Amino acid sequence: AQSVTQPDIHITVSEGASLELRCNYSYGATPYLFWYVQSPGQGLQLLLKYFSGDTLVQGIKGFEAEFKRSQSSFNLRKPSVHWSDAAEYFCAVGAFRAASKLTFGTGTRLQVTL
Amino acid sequence: DAMVIQNPRYQVTQFGKPVTLSCSQTLNHNVMYWYQQKSSQAPKLLFHYYDKDFNNEADTPDNFQSRRPNTSFCFLDIRSPGLGDAAMYLCATSRRGQGDNQPQHFGDGTRLSIL
Repeated sequence: AQSVTQPDIHITVSEGASLELRCNYSYGATPYLFWYVQSPGQGLQLLLKYFSGDTLVQGIKGFEAEFKRSQSSFNLRKPSVHWSDAAEYFCAVGAFRAASKLTFGTGTRLQVTL
Repeated sequence: DAMVIQNPRYQVTQFGKPVTLSCSQTLNHNVMYWYQQKSSQAPKLLFHYYDKDFNNEADTPDNFQSRRPNTSFCFLDIRSPGLGDAAMYLCATSRRGQGDNQPQHFGDGTRLSIL
């Protein structure tokens, strides 16, 4: 069975500081990995995805993530956080063929202090 | 812009009174999903349609039903809502095809409250 672990429930960073959100997955085959962001009262917006190829993927809003197969990790990073980045971040793993069954982590809530 | 639209954004219903949530999409995706998300939790997949084929998750209560009359629309019916069904309901779509690994696109959700 596939699973995703986001070990940090809540993270607080200062505006302008760097950010890394951790994600570890368990999946029996080649995983398809995603990061989504959810602002309060909103749906989920795709930040980036990894299917294959270059293990460092670039996403929207200045985010990037690195796939490390040996560590079963797909951590999300941003070099300089903006106050508008405060939100809930979900890592998800899916199967082949359009990731028809996504398994989400429990999310990391990011708070940004000015 | 192509998008996933959920109506209404907020829905209040009475305990035991049937309620229907609506989702429409202009992406022409062949897969539509319904998720339930309770406060501070991850979204939980209830079921999905691949074209007209309905795929129910094993642990989805019978109280939850869905209809997809055409490619663009999908409905979530809750036959007898209980207090535990208060949640955000998210609709998502994706395209499934041979070698076509597209991510899911989400609507903004409907927040359901039960009185």
